[in-house]
Amino acid sequence: DAKTTQPPSMDCAEGRAANLPCNHSTISGNEYVYWYRQIHSQGPQYIIHGLKNNETNEMASLIITEDRKSSTLILPHATLRDTAVYYCIVRMNYGGSQGNLIFGKGTKLSVKP
Amino acid sequence: DTGVSQNPRHKITKRGQNVTFRCDPISEHNRLYWYRQTLGQGPEFLTYFQNEAQLEKSRLLSDRFSAERPKGSFSTLEIQRTEQGDSAMYLCASSPGTGPNTEAFFGQGTRLTVV
Repeated sequence: DAKTTQPPSMDCAEGRAANLPCNHSTISGNEYVYWYRQIHSQGPQYIIHGLKNNETNEMASLIITEDRKSSTLILPHATLRDTAVYYCIVRMNYGGSQGNLIFGKGTKLSVKP
Repeated sequence: DTGVSQNPRHKITKRGQNVTFRCDPISEHNRLYWYRQTLGQGPEFLTYFQNEAQLEKSRLLSDRFSAERPKGSFSTLEIQRTEQGDSAMYLCASSPGTGPNTEAFFGQGTRLTVV
């Protein structure tokens, strides 16, 4: 699977938007971009995923560049409970069946009051 | 609770002992994954099942590790002759397994400490 590059850490003020970047320059046409987060001592939590169109759900928005080489996860109004490690993952699609999730080290987001 | 359930949540064992962890996936999820996570690292893939068939194993899964999913529902992960390097969080996840863009749901993990 393609690898991703994320900054190791970021800070964000409470109530402001948190924009978490991810580079996936070797992504192939049938690979999806997934975002998970992990709050301390808990299992990873699914946030959002997309192929090439921008996506939004109740948790976040995902902006994927037109060439699909990078993406940004946006938490529109960060709260202290959003403090976590955020993982950007590129996931293969094998003819309709998804591949495994291969995690990197992620970005540790610290939301500060 | 209809999420992925893992038991026990914590396990302390002496080096050389065998341990077994259990994972109950979300009902009707036919794909089940095991991951291991050490401090400061992201989860590392160990193995996954499609129903009862174990389809892929990471080279991290040494011969002391064995995973089963006998009836395609719950799964067990056994570690024989534990070593201190086995100390980690062991995570289980499940997904529907079909369709190109379905998400995997993780349990809370089992934290193993080998002393």
